[in-house]
Amino acid sequence: DAGVIQSPRHEVTEMGQEVTLRCKPISGHNSLFWYRQTMMRGLELLIYFNNNVPIDDSGMPEDRFSAKMPNASFSTLKIQPSEPRDSAVYFCASSLLTNNYTQYFGPGTRLTVL
Amino acid sequence: GEDVEQSLFLSVREGDSSVINCTYTDSSSTYLYWYKQEPGAGLQLLTYIFSNMDMKQDQRLTVLLNKKDKHLSLRIADTQTGDSAIYFCAELSGYALNFGKGTSLLVTP
Repeated sequence: DAGVIQSPRHEVTEMGQEVTLRCKPISGHNSLFWYRQTMMRGLELLIYFNNNVPIDDSGMPEDRFSAKMPNASFSTLKIQPSEPRDSAVYFCASSLLTNNYTQYFGPGTRLTVL
Repeated sequence: GEDVEQSLFLSVREGDSSVINCTYTDSSSTYLYWYKQEPGAGLQLLTYIFSNMDMKQDQRLTVLLNKKDKHLSLRIADTQTGDSAIYFCAELSGYALNFGKGTSLLVTP
């Protein structure tokens, strides 16, 4: 299994631009999570989906952030417009939500907004 | 809300044992986890423990759980330089994981 795949691995953009981060979960997993990691705040859960349906988006910082999961094998996290304070590493994780509920993480996308 | 607490930094000599401590918040958490993050990489699951267990051993790793005090620890035996990384403790909260801020482990030769 290829594991969770994220793209791009690095993104540098200018303030005000739209940014789209992509995630392909592990095949067969029914839940997907987006996290943001910063030095100041650590790992924060932004949103999670179960069977492609958003269950909890209370961690999404503001309306500039949106996430979609059109099918079981793809999700996007979009920031529009981006701001310098959005600079962070964004992780996607997937889980089968059975047995031990383990989440498997992708390598992350390092976003820098200038 | 309350935070999962971990000490920020630990330094040990190669060959010694490392013990990383964590205090979690949700006494009803059914699973607790330890993840490892190496520089520039994602989080890698090291091990987990079910809440009805007090201890779990997996090769060089030993997890101890004290539910009364909501305390979790990870012991790494015979610590190697390759164990240098950030270690995160996490509690299962609903379907999501609530992470601590991580403990940076530095292993010196």
